Amino acid sequence: QKEVEQNSGPLSVPEGAIASLNCTYSDRGSQSFFWYRQYSGKSPELIMSIYSNGDKEDGRFTAQLNKASQYVSLLIRDSQPSDSATYLCAALSGGYNKLIFGAGTRLAVHP
Amino acid sequence: DAMVIQNPRYQVTQFGKPVTLSCSQTLNHNVMYWYQQKSSQAPKLLFHYYDKDFNNEADTPDNFQSRRPNTSFCFLDIRSPGLGDAAMYLCATSRKGLAGAEGETQYFGPGTRLLVL
Repeated sequence: QKEVEQNSGPLSVPEGAIASLNCTYSDRGSQSFFWYRQYSGKSPELIMSIYSNGDKEDGRFTAQLNKASQYVSLLIRDSQPSDSATYLCAALSGGYNKLIFGAGTRLAVHP
Repeated sequence: DAMVIQNPRYQVTQFGKPVTLSCSQTLNHNVMYWYQQKSSQAPKLLFHYYDKDFNNEADTPDNFQSRRPNTSFCFLDIRSPGLGDAAMYLCATSRKGLAGAEGETQYFGPGTRLLVL
């Protein structure tokens, strides 16, 4: 059973702090990883994708991948209350773009 | 703007009454997916189409069917909804075959929230 594991949270951080979200995956064959943000009652929205070991930065977001440890993380710098949402980690598995999602980490940024 | 559209956004049906949810896309993507998501859970893939090639997940109940009459449209049919089928239904698309990462990214529609009475 291919799995993606995330701490459900909630992760509570003060406004302006760095939020660190973590994810582990079981399928060593996975090569592509995605972070989606999902506001309550809404659909997932792509935040970042990462395919190579190391860091990938996009604005306030940095994704980190360590394939040897089967670990993916998302850092959100200068966290804002509008970042409060559930963050879903997903790993691409198989030949038909099948995404395996984690259950998500709920982030709460308080003023 | 190119996008994934789902209708209706909210659907109320009665126990056992067939219901159809629709998804359309203007992205010209060749892969379309249907996911079921219940509260505080990960999206669960029900099935997907790679062009006209239908791929059903092993644990998708027979109560769920899908149709893709053309590239732009895909339908989810629930033949006899039960109370346990109340959930958010998400449609997503991707462009398989593009070089690199762009072909692997899935884009989601806004979802249809289904309530079964």
